[in-house]
Order: sequence, then C-alpha cells, then structure tokens
Amino acid sequence: QVQLVQSGADVKRPGASVKVSCTSSGYSFIGYYIHWVRQAPGQGLEWIGWINPRDGDTKYAQKFQGRVTMTGDTPLSTAYMEVTGLKSDDTAIYYCARDLEDGNCYLDHWGQGTLVSVSS
Amino acid sequence: SFELTQDPAVSVALGQTVRITCQGDSLRKYYATWYHQKAGQAPVLVLYGRHNRPAGIPDRISGSDSGNTASLSITGALAEDEGVYYCHSRDTNDPHQGVFAGGTKVTVL
Repeated sequence: QVQLVQSGADVKRPGASVKVSCTSSGYSFIGYYIHWVRQAPGQGLEWIGWINPRDGDTKYAQKFQGRVTMTGDTPLSTAYMEVTGLKSDDTAIYYCARDLEDGNCYLDHWGQGTLVSVSS
Repeated sequence: SFELTQDPAVSVALGQTVRITCQGDSLRKYYATWYHQKAGQAPVLVLYGRHNRPAGIPDRISGSDSGNTASLSITGALAEDEGVYYCHSRDTNDPHQGVFAGGTKVTVL
C-alpha cells in the first residue's frame, strides 16, 4: 500500500535550518509530484510547494521563495524539504503528500507529519 | 496573492444535511479541492476535480459550484464527519501556485 514516512520531530534555534525527509513506498516515486504543507499549532493548512521527482522541477509559494529548497533522491524514493533562517513562527507540523495529478494538488496520501519547533 | 474564504464553524444535527462553502475568484476557473482533517490526524482528500471522490469516501459527501463559490455538502451527517474541512484552489494568475482557505470546523450534534 502507498505510504509516506517522514523524519522525526526536531527542535531548532532561531536562524538555524531544518531538513525534513519523506520516504515513499508502494508506488513509483517518480510518477507523482510531492507537495509540502505545514500547519502551525491550532491553525489551518498552508501550502509550501511541490517537487516533481522525475526531473527535480520545483515550485514554491511566494512566501517561501528563497528560504525553502525541495529535493529528491530517486534511488531512495525520498523527498526532502529544507527551510533556512528559521523563525519562531515556523513552528509547525510539516506534512509531505503525494499529488494524484501533476501539480493540481490532489493530495491523496499524506505523511504522518513532522513537528518542527523553533525556540531560543 | 489570492485568497479563499470559508466560514469558521458550522454545526449540524446527526442525520441532517450541512453545506460548507468556499469563496474566491479563482473558483470561477478552477474546481476546489476539499480535505477533511480530524483532530491530531493528517488531512484526508474528500473531493477533487469535477467533484470526484477518492476510493473510500462515502457518497453522502458531494460538491457543487456556482460562480465564485464552491460547496461541499454532507447529506445524513454522522459523528465521523466531525472535523475541519479545508478547500484549496490554484491561483488564476499562476496555476502552479495554490492556497488553502482557513477551514470550516464542523460539529455534529
């Protein structure tokens, strides 16, 4: 069955960087875009961007351009998202999710989420 | 940037029907995508494209559109339908950009 398994929770200081991984199984990794979405405590969902694992093409929400980098490792079926210059309001659960239809954001399978806490 | 708007909360009696709306100019061009999130869990895709339901989503959940408004209806609400429903759409000016609305918390009484 399709599974996306994310790396564990992390605590970072302001100004630091964090890299979250998302390992896929049960389907062809290069066949589907991977999106990243975050959710601050008690808040709604926020779309961050996507990566096409087939060719490494990416698209980021304007808010995150210059601070987020998404990459993929095809042999490991793993997508990564790195966020730099962390601030306290980056504290959130970060989800990866598979897109059913290239770039349309029909996210049919989600990872379990990774809590990133930013605190001094 | 563009925005999508949802009512913050709505309640429905067990077995009754509730409609959740999502408003935004992009919805005149793109269908809304809908997600259901229960407390402490990842979101679940419930409607996408032209009101398609993924496997396992019951047909008591349906979608409709009118102008700049997309709607999700739950007919015969059950306790398991509680949670927050989010709509998502793409940006008319940049279809590779997307945004989620703030979500509607549904309480089944």
